[in-house]
Amino acid sequence: GAVVSQHPSWVICKSGTSVKIECRSLDFQATTMFWYRQFPKQSLMLMATSNEGSKATYEQGVEKDKFLINHASLTLSTLTVTSAHPEDSSFYICSSPQREYNEQFFGPGTRLTVL
Amino acid sequence: GQNIDQPTEMTATEGAIVQINCTYQTSGFNGLFWYQQHAGEAPTFLSYNVLDGLEEKGRFSSFLSRSKGYSYLLLKELQMKDSASYLCAVEDSNYQLIWGAGTKLIIKP
Repeated sequence: GAVVSQHPSWVICKSGTSVKIECRSLDFQATTMFWYRQFPKQSLMLMATSNEGSKATYEQGVEKDKFLINHASLTLSTLTVTSAHPEDSSFYICSSPQREYNEQFFGPGTRLTVL
Repeated sequence: GQNIDQPTEMTATEGAIVQINCTYQTSGFNGLFWYQQHAGEAPTFLSYNVLDGLEEKGRFSSFLSRSKGYSYLLLKELQMKDSASYLCAVEDSNYQLIWGAGTKLIIKP
């Protein structure tokens, strides 16, 4: 199966700072990347869908100016949490759908803690 | 609206069999996934059903009935390492996944 890496795996930052999370497809071209957020004891919530070379599509209720997504190449998508606040503390996961495998490949996730 | 229901928590005994149910109402259906997720980790793929019927893969099996909007994941010969959350997800016509809230499975010795 395909491999997706995510960096950093965890990050602690102060309130008001920005944090960038990188998601890379290591052995395939990821034309589409889904970004999810998961709060403790809750299911994955889709935040946005990014497509290489175009603007991301955000789910209702997700602030596009706060969660900046860039998908500039077929192997890299980034999520930047701008002016992070404690309520942004969550587990962020990226995934890429692969039709030939009939599944999505997930990155290992990034745990963000905002103090 | 779109809705996926699965039990919040289940408890089973090591060595036994457990069935985790999932019912769904979605706009469009391309397939149904089951994922396993251990605390603090990303989900890992278990199964994918497109057609009605039972798909068996080792100790895990998954069943789908599209007419009933129903699926179940069957886990046999339970092991302690099977303690995790099991997520049911339906792929809609845009290939996006609609996630259930997950079922926390607790395995007791």
